[in-house]
Amino acid sequence: DQQVKQNSPSLSVQEGRISILNCDYTNSMFDYFLWYKKYPAEGPTFLISISSIKDKNEDGRFTVFLNKSAKHLSLHIVPSQPGDSAVYFCAASVGGSGYALNFGKGTSLLVTP
Amino acid sequence: KAGVTQTPRYLIKTRGQQVTLSCSPISGHRSVSWYQQTPGQGLQFLFEYFSETQRNKGNFPGRFSGRQFSNSRSEMNVSTLELGDSALYLCASSLMGHNSPLHFGNGTRLTVT
Repeated sequence: DQQVKQNSPSLSVQEGRISILNCDYTNSMFDYFLWYKKYPAEGPTFLISISSIKDKNEDGRFTVFLNKSAKHLSLHIVPSQPGDSAVYFCAASVGGSGYALNFGKGTSLLVTP
Repeated sequence: KAGVTQTPRYLIKTRGQQVTLSCSPISGHRSVSWYQQTPGQGLQFLFEYFSETQRNKGNFPGRFSGRQFSNSRSEMNVSTLELGDSALYLCASSLMGHNSPLHFGNGTRLTVT
């Protein structure tokens, strides 16, 4: 039972433009959400997180938005750079903890020059 | 600060054998989690250890087990290997406390023939 869904397997964006990656979840108990980036042959790298008491969190070029009523979150990357090309995973957990994470299946982002 | 270290990076085993994977967390991190990544199922939570105790367990058969040592290093064991156990096994560590993200190692790629 996939509780975290990333419905777009892939996304292609031009360098300098905004990349928007989307994620939906079904479990209303989730209260901590994270985005990870993964390059081939490497483990996922933590990017940014948001707790359910907020609706937005920014870190440099990365912003995560949380819409609890729609059970939806999104990651915005502005401006997109070729080095951002990777697979992005959305993850969620219950209880604010970071360890028992439910992951989406990932969205492969390609940023073209 | 050194990241999460997993050994070995690659492993080839035969059906029916057993395997042990090793993980050294980031210094100061006392929580260690294990995840399995496969193309079909994505990243799935196996178990989490803190202070040598398993606190959380995912939905995997008893053939999958683990342990944590007093220095926070962890091992994961899979007995009676099946072809379907072929996967990337990822270890992650985190600080304790609310909303602490996981930091992943580069994984062990296990192939069962």
